[in-house]
Amino acid sequence: EAGVVQSPRYKIIEKKQPVAFWCNPISGHNTLYWYRQNLGQGPELLIRYENEEAVDDSQLPKDRFSAERLKGVDSTLKIQPAELGDSAVYLCASSLVTAGEYEQYFGPGTRLTVT
Amino acid sequence: AQSVTQPDIHITVSEGASLELRCNYSYGATPYLFWYVQSPGQGLQLLLKYFSGDTLVQGIKGFEAEFKRSQSSFNLRKPSVHWSDAAEYFCAVAGNFGNEKLTFGTGTRLTIIP
Repeated sequence: EAGVVQSPRYKIIEKKQPVAFWCNPISGHNTLYWYRQNLGQGPELLIRYENEEAVDDSQLPKDRFSAERLKGVDSTLKIQPAELGDSAVYLCASSLVTAGEYEQYFGPGTRLTVT
Repeated sequence: AQSVTQPDIHITVSEGASLELRCNYSYGATPYLFWYVQSPGQGLQLLLKYFSGDTLVQGIKGFEAEFKRSQSSFNLRKPSVHWSDAAEYFCAVAGNFGNEKLTFGTGTRLTIIP
């Protein structure tokens, strides 16, 4: 079974430029998450989707960040314009429910460097 | 608000020695607790989870963790570490049977010396 796929793995951009990250969750996983992991920290949730619906986007900086999950499968996270403080690893996860319990499976992440 | 504290930023142990990584959580309802491991340049891999029942849970790679409600702790243990265990370890808490955001600690970096 394929895991969560993310691309690109690495991205270097100049500040004020736009950037987009793509995530393909594990087949059959209805819930998809985007986390941001700053250096030396644990991941923090940006947004959570149930199928196509964003059910928790309270931590998403909506002035510059946007996300979509068309057709309830793949998802894209966009930053426009990027700032120096956006340098981080962006992790996508999807979850499966088994007997009422959820496990989140993480992709390898996209490491963003803003210069 | 929920939170997780991992008091040890960095731990060094000798190969073959035992290991215990500490985790304390704060959560107002029934906590669902997880330990993840992250190797350099890799995503997070689930080691084990606690939802209910037996407070001592077994995970992959020989790890186990014990849930102690009275101490709000969920410490990770391994009786004998291998060089391949060197990585960053994260404790996390979630609600609603895990179908909510994971709140992570800041992680503990484990170094193994020969």
